[in-house]
Amino acid sequence: EPEVTQTPSHQVTQMGQEVILRCVPISNHLYFYWYRQILGQKVEFLVSFYNNEISEKSEIFDDQFSVERPDGSNFTLKIRSTKLEDSAMYFCASREDWSSYNEQFFGPGTRLTVL
Amino acid sequence: DQQVKQNSPSLSVQEGRISILNCDYTNSMFDYFLWYKKYPAEGPTFLISISSIKDKNEDGRFTVFLNKSAKHLSLHIVPSQPGDSAVYFCAASLIQGAQKLVFGQGTRLTINP
Repeated sequence: EPEVTQTPSHQVTQMGQEVILRCVPISNHLYFYWYRQILGQKVEFLVSFYNNEISEKSEIFDDQFSVERPDGSNFTLKIRSTKLEDSAMYFCASREDWSSYNEQFFGPGTRLTVL
Repeated sequence: DQQVKQNSPSLSVQEGRISILNCDYTNSMFDYFLWYKKYPAEGPTFLISISSIKDKNEDGRFTVFLNKSAKHLSLHIVPSQPGDSAVYFCAASLIQGAQKLVFGQGTRLTINP
């Protein structure tokens, strides 16, 4: 069964460093998302991406964040200068199309720890 | 932002009995609702969904009920099995646009043998 994959599973970085989290969505899916879950809190939407551009972003997704689909398979989230409060689980998700009721499929997540 | 709320942080049910997980929402514009299940160190796994034009959707042991006037949905699991022990998230979205999901806080379900 096709699945969303994410690498790395755990990333440890120093405050102020740049990190890139990688995702491979399901191959025929057209909508891509990043969510995060800070320990003990809700899963929160960060950004959605469709047709090679951001379709919606949350208030959390400020200028320190960017997303890219550099080739036909990868979808990346870059945090330019990490802060302690960026420590969280980051989940990538994908969805087949935008025109109907269908679910988002989530990857296993990347645990980001900022020291 | 409390648009989607799951007021029970945990629920314990005996194996074979019915598990009922509840979810309330405040945004009447939401028109698509989903339940996800999550095990530790894994991503959320889709379980079942319902659109606002329905009031019930069934898939095997899982049934979701939607009460639009009360802005309330529930997930019924019958019969409950030990493998159902996990955290269950309710999520809501708008069909128009990006369909970003707004999640509840989750309910940890424990099925006791």
